[in-house]
Amino acid sequence: DTGVSQNPRHKITKRGQNVTFRCDPISEHNRLYWYRQTLGQGPEFLTYFQNEAQLEKSRLLSDRFSAERPKGSFSTLEIQRTEQGDSAMYLCASSLNSASSTDTQYFGPGTRLTVL
Amino acid sequence: ILNVEQSPQSLHVQEGDSTNFTCSFPSSNFYALHWYRWETAKSPEALFVMTLNGDEKKKGRISATLNTKEGYSYLYIKGSQPEDSATYLCARRGSNYKLTFGKGTLLTVNP
Repeated sequence: DTGVSQNPRHKITKRGQNVTFRCDPISEHNRLYWYRQTLGQGPEFLTYFQNEAQLEKSRLLSDRFSAERPKGSFSTLEIQRTEQGDSAMYLCASSLNSASSTDTQYFGPGTRLTVL
Repeated sequence: ILNVEQSPQSLHVQEGDSTNFTCSFPSSNFYALHWYRWETAKSPEALFVMTLNGDEKKKGRISATLNTKEGYSYLYIKGSQPEDSATYLCARRGSNYKLTFGKGTLLTVNP
């Protein structure tokens, strides 16, 4: 399978615990994005990387959230001291970094987080 | 229009019916409009990326049009099949690379 993969697919945790999600993008893609979808909403942008550099962070990304892409390949998203409001589907996407405005973002299946 | 808006929120059609959805978006600082199909427990699937006013794209029974001046796009499905049942998302891309999504249209095709 050469698509974007995410692990785990589901995570249930207790409030106050830390969680970490992993995203493996399509191998030749330089850009990697994180989005979050809560119930009844469309996906909302969190952050994106070009290679290993984190270029933009949304205001949604509080100081409890941190994302890394250490070698410009896979990425991790960590949430510290989880809150019930963090319950959501966390989506990862990657794109080729084409100069074209038609650069397509390809999504993984997401990690569904439930905070009890 | 300040946000990306999609209508209707949900839609039930019979197998064989043709249907269409609307996506409205801010027309200023527009770079591209993306359509995705998202089936439960799967990854969102990229359908179309459109950039130019008057663009029309087609993929099998699904087609889309774009009006960047007035800020809307239509997605059409001809002869709906049960396997078309999914949430259809549109997303606008501005000068940065992030996508701003609508809430989606949930399509259910009854056999």
